[in-house]
Amino acid sequence: GQQLNQSPQSMFIQEGEDVSMNCTSSSIFNTWLWYKQDPGEGPVLLIALYKAGELTSNGRLTAQFGITRKDSFLNISASIPSDVGIYFCAGRRNTGTASKLTFGTGTRLQVTL
Amino acid sequence: NAGVTQTPKFQVLKTGQSMTLQCAQDMNHEYMSWYRQDPGMGLRLIHYSVGAGITDQGEVPNGYNVSRSTTEDFPLRLLSAAPSQTSVYFCASSYSPSGADTQYFGPGTRLTVL
Repeated sequence: GQQLNQSPQSMFIQEGEDVSMNCTSSSIFNTWLWYKQDPGEGPVLLIALYKAGELTSNGRLTAQFGITRKDSFLNISASIPSDVGIYFCAGRRNTGTASKLTFGTGTRLQVTL
Repeated sequence: NAGVTQTPKFQVLKTGQSMTLQCAQDMNHEYMSWYRQDPGMGLRLIHYSVGAGITDQGEVPNGYNVSRSTTEDFPLRLLSAAPSQTSVYFCASSYSPSGADTQYFGPGTRLTVL
């Protein structure tokens, strides 16, 4: 099955730095989603993007739906320790009666003080 | 609301044993799904349901069965566990039958098959 290519795989950054990560696919998606997963927990939705070219913010997080519909980007500004976790992108392609999510491989973010 | 709940949180099985992973949601969501998460990989869809009595296969359905007799519950059954099924399992639900809106994930069940 298809998996989305997500990069980087991991990042070590200092508190206060900005973070960028991206997700690419060989297929077109109708929706791009970004999730964060804390240790021992399930993923939590951060941002949803519904239109090619769309730029959406949620606090310090900004995500973009690529023009080609085959990629998406997530930026975190002024990182803080609670940003630590694994960030997953997911693409959704509506097929028939139910849409299915395809997840990226994740970016592990660690923040040092 | 408790949201999406999963039991057990941890489980160890021997090869060939069977078990059922429980998933329940109290949000009256029509769409429910099961994913597995393996190291270095994203979540992969096992089975999903768009409403009571309706289930369908996802990307990796082999070795798993599901049923949906009520809106609230969506159990995942392993009929004969194999080491390849060692993974973390997540249940998710959303209001829309198409799963097109926000999916809420449970806390996960960590399964080890020896």
